[in-house]
Amino acid sequence: EAQVTQNPRYLITVTGKKLTVTCSQNMNHEYMSWYRQDPGLGLRQIYYSMNVEVTDKGDVPEGYKVSRKEKRNFPLILESPSPNQTSLYFCASRQGRGGSYEQYFGPGTRLTVT
Amino acid sequence: AQKVTQAQTEISVVEKEDVTLDCVYETRDTTYYLFWYKQPPSGELVFLIRRNSFDEQNEISGRYSWNFQKSTSSFNFTITASQVVDSAVYFCALSEAGGYNFNKFYFGSGTKLNVKP
Repeated sequence: EAQVTQNPRYLITVTGKKLTVTCSQNMNHEYMSWYRQDPGLGLRQIYYSMNVEVTDKGDVPEGYKVSRKEKRNFPLILESPSPNQTSLYFCASRQGRGGSYEQYFGPGTRLTVT
Repeated sequence: AQKVTQAQTEISVVEKEDVTLDCVYETRDTTYYLFWYKQPPSGELVFLIRRNSFDEQNEISGRYSWNFQKSTSSFNFTITASQVVDSAVYFCALSEAGGYNFNKFYFGSGTKLNVKP
């Protein structure tokens, strides 16, 4: 089954404790992306990757890091989480560039930073 | 400036009523794509439709229909004879094909639809 998986689905942590949210897709997609969803703001793009070792900032990259060492994986790293990073996070992938390809979303990771 | 505006924060209707969700977008590109996604209470994002800027034909899929009007930069979504299962947050999104932003997706803030029995 074609899918995007994220782990963990729920995470409660404390300020400053480094964490990683994993994202994996089994569709051999080149393009992957991370979003955060906040009430009243919709989804905002954090980072995206066009292929292995190629990443770029989205609209809200501050406080986040990503890496793309393998095509299927695109982890999101919070080196020093802060309460304003409490949010619902989605990973997504699609076959190619631009909107001509459907974007597949993971199930979401709800992060709470206290 | 927001690229995608969904002015309706929340809408409540009674089952079987028709409802239209508004979406207004902003872009300078001549080639772009518009999307609608549904987010039910369970939280996942469900793809509903993609439309490119060269195809202004309205689309109907069962009880769902979409009205794309370039002249007003709008891509509105209508649910006919709404059902309780339609209760969700609906997002409109834009992807530009040209320039530096071709890998970016811009989402509206979402419209929460409550369908009451």
